[in-house]
Amino acid sequence: EDQVTQSPEALRLQEGESSSLNCSYTVSGLRGLFWYRQDPGKGPEFLFTLYSAGEEKEKERLKATLTKKESFLHITAPKPEDSATYLCAVRSDQFYFGTGTSLTVIP
Amino acid sequence: ETGVTQTPRHLVMGMTNKKSLKCEQHLGHNAMYWYKQSAKKPLELMFVYNFKEQTENNSVPSRFSPECPNSSHLFLHLHTLQPEDSALYLCASSQANPGQGYNEQFFGPGTRLTVL
Repeated sequence: EDQVTQSPEALRLQEGESSSLNCSYTVSGLRGLFWYRQDPGKGPEFLFTLYSAGEEKEKERLKATLTKKESFLHITAPKPEDSATYLCAVRSDQFYFGTGTSLTVIP
Repeated sequence: ETGVTQTPRHLVMGMTNKKSLKCEQHLGHNAMYWYKQSAKKPLELMFVYNFKEQTENNSVPSRFSPECPNSSHLFLHLHTLQPEDSALYLCASSQANPGQGYNEQFFGPGTRLTVL
């Protein structure tokens, strides 16, 4: 059964304390892995697409990496404005979303 | 307007009401989607339209009825809903490439639906 699991469910960081979020997946025929950021009361905002193992993408303090079984979203020196829920999704025959990691960055 | 817009942003309806949600995308995409987002659950894909043709219907109850008159507009018609249908309903669009599948999706802000 295709599925996506994100961990941890919630993460609290001090400002400047780097960490990583995990997205593990079991799908047959991966056709893309996507990271989104979602603020309360808003729709998900697209961050990255990764297509093959070994691929990396960066945007400001965020860096996404992909292996054959999981993806990591690394957050370097986070700021309070990085607080949000981060969603991972994979595309095989259809889109599958994880439940997200709620990130809180404390000043 | 830019991106994906949705109206209304908030909707409260009784179980016997009929209402519609509207979505419009200004990105030139050819695929549109309806998702349901409930607390502590993954986004649930409801419907997919590709070039105005419905390509996926993930066992959604018939009280939800989608309509896609063109590649820029998507509606979700609601009737005789249940309280458990209360959720955030998200519309998204993406570019679909023949033989290569769907690219990343861009979401609207959602409609917060409450069924009394």
